[in-house]
Amino acid sequence: EIVLTQSPGTLSLSPGERVTLSCRASQSVSSNYLAWYQQKPGQAPRLLIYGASSGATGIPDRFSGSGSGADFTLTISRLEPEDFAVYYCQQYGSSPYTFGQGTKLEIK
Amino acid sequence: QLQLQESGPGLVKPSETLSLTCTVSGGSISSSSYYWGWIRQPPGKGLEWIGTIYYSGSTYYNPSLKSRVTISVDTSKNQFSLKLSSVTAADTAVYYCARRLVVAARGAFDVWGQGTMVTASS
Repeated sequence: EIVLTQSPGTLSLSPGERVTLSCRASQSVSSNYLAWYQQKPGQAPRLLIYGASSGATGIPDRFSGSGSGADFTLTISRLEPEDFAVYYCQQYGSSPYTFGQGTKLEIK
Repeated sequence: QLQLQESGPGLVKPSETLSLTCTVSGGSISSSSYYWGWIRQPPGKGLEWIGTIYYSGSTYYNPSLKSRVTISVDTSKNQFSLKLSSVTAADTAVYYCARRLVVAARGAFDVWGQGTMVTASS
């Protein structure tokens, strides 16, 4: 089983700032099949990025993903008020599909 | 627009079987382009993949739950279902159903239901 470790656990930032979230895998993720999701309280996760760097339908271009192998990042170029949420990475390259423990973005 | 809706009891007694159904609307569950899956999230915790099914009935389960999980599909009703046996308090969670594309590169979960809270308690 691939264990995904996200860092940091919590980030306190202000709107307008740039942020980079990290997701590190315990082994290489097959074909870079790595996704990022955003989850707000009381809501289901929302797919942001798939294949490590491809934006899902309807996702603003301020969200971007990068990385390969075992190290991946999600960057939000300029934080909007609606971006404060919890972010999860997920690998779907090998079963069992696993998620990271999440990074919480909070308003400073 | 495709929508998924979970339904089922919100309270299950320990040692009994949790049963949930996901109804798909705005699209066909029999499409060859998609898998259908279950994911859960204990209160205040992260996400755990439970399993996935194809419209033909092929299933893929998380080994950590495999001995207790059954996922089935009813194409005539455009639904798929989850059964989890011998539940304990550790199975208390929000249960989500979701869709993923068959094309491997795009195989993340792109459409989710709103989730349903299930509590295992006597």
